[in-house]
Amino acid sequence: EAQLVESGGDLVQPGGSLRLSCAASGFTFSSHWMSWVRQAPGRGLEWVASISDSANEKNYVDSVKGRFTISRDNAKNSMHLQMDSLRVEDTAVYFCARDPPRYSDYWGQGTLVTVSP
Amino acid sequence: EIVLTQSPATLSLSPGERATLSCRVSQNINNYLTWYQQKPGQAPRLLIHAASNRATGIPARFSGSGSGTDFTLTISSLEPEDFAVYYCQQRSTWPITFGQGTRLEIK
Repeated sequence: EAQLVESGGDLVQPGGSLRLSCAASGFTFSSHWMSWVRQAPGRGLEWVASISDSANEKNYVDSVKGRFTISRDNAKNSMHLQMDSLRVEDTAVYFCARDPPRYSDYWGQGTLVTVSP
Repeated sequence: EIVLTQSPATLSLSPGERATLSCRVSQNINNYLTWYQQKPGQAPRLLIHAASNRATGIPARFSGSGSGTDFTLTISSLEPEDFAVYYCQQRSTWPITFGQGTRLEIK
């Protein structure tokens, strides 16, 4: 069965950087789009970014454009989210998810990013 | 940006009752509507995709309907494990957007 495990969450100061990783197993990683979705404490779900199977298409929510970069390494079955110029409002649990076309069917358990002075 | 409005915000029902959750979308998304369930401290769980297709392993008491701009998630007879927060999501156009969620609580 497909499994996704996020890592890299931490406490960071505003303006700092962090790199999240998502390790995938149990499926053909290189055949699937992947996404990052976040959830601020006590709030709803917010889509952050998605990347195509071959990494030739990437999409971002406006609030992170120019600050976050999604990438993947199909040889290592992993996806990453490079987060720069972090803001307090980026504080959230970040989930990675597998995307068959048009929905997310498998999700990781999430990694907590806290941005605080 | 496509806006999804879920109603009600909170639904208080008893086990065995029928739950009807609504998701209204600001523009036509055909059937690119997904429903997720989330329990505290857990990742979202896929319930329904393409408006009406139950995901693998999802009980038959969950059903989805609708097209265009109005969608409904129905739970025919609530089980204790169904009390959770439910989100709808559109993937018709970028950016992907979610509704604000409906909290289904035990009455």
